[in-house]
Amino acid sequence: AQSVTQPDIHITVSEGASLELRCNYSYGATPYLFWYVQSPGQGLQLLLKYFSGDTLVQGIKGFEAEFKRSQSSFNLRKPSVHWSDAAEYFCAVGAWAAGNKLTFGGGTRVLVKP
Amino acid sequence: NAGVTQTPKFQVLKTGQSMTLQCAQDMNHEYMSWYRQDPGMGLRLIHYSVGAGITDQGEVPNGYNVSRSTTEDFPLRLLSAAPSQTSVYFCAKGRGDPYNEQFFGPGTRLTVL
Repeated sequence: AQSVTQPDIHITVSEGASLELRCNYSYGATPYLFWYVQSPGQGLQLLLKYFSGDTLVQGIKGFEAEFKRSQSSFNLRKPSVHWSDAAEYFCAVGAWAAGNKLTFGGGTRVLVKP
Repeated sequence: NAGVTQTPKFQVLKTGQSMTLQCAQDMNHEYMSWYRQDPGMGLRLIHYSVGAGITDQGEVPNGYNVSRSTTEDFPLRLLSAAPSQTSVYFCAKGRGDPYNEQFFGPGTRLTVL
């Protein structure tokens, strides 16, 4: 069974500073990896996804993520954070086995200081 | 709402009551699912469906039932509500393969007293 770990529960970053959110996954085959963002009181929106090819993927809102198979990681980055990036971020892994289920990490809440 | 409608937005139940959370999509996506979101635990899959007439259990199915009589609707039934079912519930739809994104509804916040 697949699993996802997001080691940081909360991160506080100053506006304009860079942001990196960590994600480690466990899965026996090639994973399908996703980052979702949840603004307060909202549903989840896809930021980016990876399933093959270039290991550096670009997403919406200026986010990117890098897949590192050797480290079982899929970290999310943004060079310069805006106040509107304050939200909760979820890493998820999908798999063909057992019905295309998405398994989510526990989430990282990002606070942006002015 | 990404083409996924959930009703109600908020609900308060007493222990032992039953209710149905509604979920509807506006496109013919074959895959639909229900998740619950609890602090620090991310989203956990309750039930999912790969098409009309086909449902299966996810990670935390106990206390919940689903049915999929049409492609558009995927209701979640709480048979006898318990305080442990206090949570935010999200319905999602997708194209049924793992490398396409799922689209999430706005959620239903349920409190069981």
